[in-house]
Amino acid sequence: NAGVTQTPKFRILKIGQSMTLQCTQDMNHNYMYWYRQDPGMGLKLIYYSVGAGITDKGEVPNGYNVSRSTTEDFPLRLELAAPSQTSVYFCASSYGWDSNQPQHFGDGTRLSIL
Amino acid sequence: GQQLNQSPQSMFIQEGEDVSMNCTSSSIFNTWLWYKQDPGEGPVLLIALYKAGELTSNGRLTAQFGITRKDSFLNISASIPSDVGIYFCAGQLDRDSWGKLQFGAGTQVVVTP
Repeated sequence: NAGVTQTPKFRILKIGQSMTLQCTQDMNHNYMYWYRQDPGMGLKLIYYSVGAGITDKGEVPNGYNVSRSTTEDFPLRLELAAPSQTSVYFCASSYGWDSNQPQHFGDGTRLSIL
Repeated sequence: GQQLNQSPQSMFIQEGEDVSMNCTSSSIFNTWLWYKQDPGEGPVLLIALYKAGELTSNGRLTAQFGITRKDSFLNISASIPSDVGIYFCAGQLDRDSWGKLQFGAGTQVVVTP
C-alpha cells in the first residue's frame, strides 16, 4: 500500500545544477500537488495538476517546472538550482478538488543547494 | 502571502496534560483541516471540518470550525509521548480554489514524561 512515493529522500546540489524530484502515486488520484516547506513555515504550493496533461502555478512557482504525462507521475524540475531553493519538498495527491477529498502526502525530499 | 496565523508556535507539556492550539485568518474559509507531521515524514490528516460551528473528534483529538469561518482550534486531551510532532492547520478558501490549501506555520508539541 505505497500511497505517494517521493524520490530521492535527500539530495545536495551545487548552485546552477539541475535535477528532477520524482513523485508517483498508486491511488488513481486525479489531483497532484507540489509544496515546499521552509523552517518555521507552513507548506507553500508550488504547482498543481488537475489531471494528466494539465498543470497550473501555485503560490511560489518561480524557478520550477512540472509535467503530468500520466495520472501516476508528477515530477518537479529545478533547472538552475539556487540557495533559496534549499527546502523540504512534499508531493501530495487527492481524488478530487472538493474539500471532502483530503490530500495524501509523501514523506518529502530534503534538498540542499550549496 | 500566508493568511493563516497559528499559535502557539511551540508547546512543552507533561504527559497527561491537555493541549490546545488555534488558527485564525483574515479570510473566510470553506474548509479547515488539521494535520500532524512526524520527523522525517509528510503531514498526515487528523481531522477535517466542513461546516461553521462543526465540532469533530478523532480519539483524543477534538477540533472545531469557528462560527465566523475565520478560525479553528484543535485540542488534544491527556497527551502521551507519541503526540510529539508538528501540528498544522490548513484551510481552503472556497470551492473555486480547486483543492489549493493555505497552511499555518505549525505548532511544535513536545511531551515530557
